[in-house]
Amino acid sequence: TQTVSQSDAHVTVFEGDSVELRCNYSYGGSIYLSWYIQHHGHGLQFLLKYYSGNPVVQGVNGFEAEFSKSDSSFHLRKASVHWSDSAVYFCAVSATNYNVLYFGSGTKLTVEP
Amino acid sequence: DMKVTQMPRYLIKRMGENVLLECGQDMSHETMYWYRQDPGLGLQLIYISYDVDSNSEGDIPKGYRVSRKKREHFSLILDSAKTNQTSVYFCASSLSGGAGEQYFGPGTRLTVL
Repeated sequence: TQTVSQSDAHVTVFEGDSVELRCNYSYGGSIYLSWYIQHHGHGLQFLLKYYSGNPVVQGVNGFEAEFSKSDSSFHLRKASVHWSDSAVYFCAVSATNYNVLYFGSGTKLTVEP
Repeated sequence: DMKVTQMPRYLIKRMGENVLLECGQDMSHETMYWYRQDPGLGLQLIYISYDVDSNSEGDIPKGYRVSRKKREHFSLILDSAKTNQTSVYFCASSLSGGAGEQYFGPGTRLTVL
């Protein structure tokens, strides 16, 4: 069974700050790891994913994530946040031979002006 | 324009009434999903459909059923709704390989009184 843990329910930063949103997973097989963003009142939107190769993957709007097998982690980062980045961010894992995504409980990012 | 649509966006029903939530997608994706989202719980998979008339239970199927008669449409049915089915419901679609990338609709907020 796959599990995804997002340890921070809320993160608050100021505009222009860097941010890291943490994600740890538990699964023994071959997987896809992905991040989604949900703005208030909207559905989830895909940000980026990792399967293999370069452990740092680039997504939209300056987001990137780094995979670490030793730490079982897939943390999301952004060097300089904008107020429009305020949203809930979900980490997800899926087995490569199975379509189902397992989501973490989400991290609400608030960007203060 | 790649899109997943959901109707209705808001719905209020009384306990015991039947509920029909509709989802459509214009990307010819084989796989479609129904999730519910409750505060602090992330998204939980209700049903997955691999194609027309090829549906499987997700993690929380009790109290729900689904119908997929056309590839582009996937319905979620609540026969005799219960108050604990008050939630936000999301439909999603993906290519059959999945690869951790799903496209989500805007959600339906269902209140069961």
